[in-house]
Amino acid sequence: GAVVSQHPSRVICKSGTSVKIECRSLDFQATTMFWYRQFPKQSLMLMATSNEGSKATYEQGVEKDKFLINHASLTLSTLTVASAHPEDSSFYICSASGGLAETDTQYFGPGTRLTVL
Amino acid sequence: TQLLEQSPQFLSIQEGENLTVYCNSSSVFSSLQWYRQEPGEGPVLLVTVVTGGEVKKLKRLTFQFGDARKDSSLHITAAQPGDTGLYLCAGGFKTIFGAGTRLFVKA
Repeated sequence: GAVVSQHPSRVICKSGTSVKIECRSLDFQATTMFWYRQFPKQSLMLMATSNEGSKATYEQGVEKDKFLINHASLTLSTLTVASAHPEDSSFYICSASGGLAETDTQYFGPGTRLTVL
Repeated sequence: TQLLEQSPQFLSIQEGENLTVYCNSSSVFSSLQWYRQEPGEGPVLLVTVVTGGEVKKLKRLTFQFGDARKDSSLHITAAQPGDTGLYLCAGGFKTIFGAGTRLFVKA
C-alpha cells in the first residue's frame, strides 16, 4: 500500500522559534496533500489543502502567515510553524492523495508531535 | 457545510461483546471512509464505502453505507482488547472527520 512519512516524529522547541515539518509520499505521486491538526482527545481538523506547484488553500481561522505550506514536488510538502507559541503545541498530521476526485483514497502520515515550551 | 456526527463518543465494553458505531450527516457523500487511530499515530484506513446500501466486511468488522449515502455504521463482533482505539468516519474531498468514537475493550 501507499506510504506517507513525516519528519520529525516529535519536536520540542522554545517559544518564538520556527519549526518545519516534512510530509513525503514514498511510493506514489501526491497530487494533493492535506495538513491536519489534532488536539488531545479530539478529532482531526483540516488546516489546509495543498496542490503541487500552487498556493495552499487554508481553512477558515487558520493563519496562512503562521502556518506556511510549500508543496514543492509531487512527493513532498512542508508545513512551517512560524514563531511557534505554546498554544501551537499539537499533533500535526499530513495526508496525501494521488488524485483530485472525492473518492481518491487519502493516505495518512504517522504524525508529528509539536511541543512548544 | 458538510458535517459528520459520530455516536457514541466513548464506549467501554468487555471482551466478546458486540458493538455498533454510527456516523450520520444531513449531507450526501460520494463516499465515506472509516479509520482507526491509535495514540500518537496517524489514522489508518479501514474501509471506503462508495455505493448506497453497500456492506463491506473486514474480519470481525462490518461496515454499512446508508441507502441515501448520508450515514454509515461500523459493527464489531466479539470485540477484543486489540480493537481498542479511536474510530473515525470521514468523507468529502477535504476529508471532513467526525469527532470519533473512542473504544476501550476490557479483557
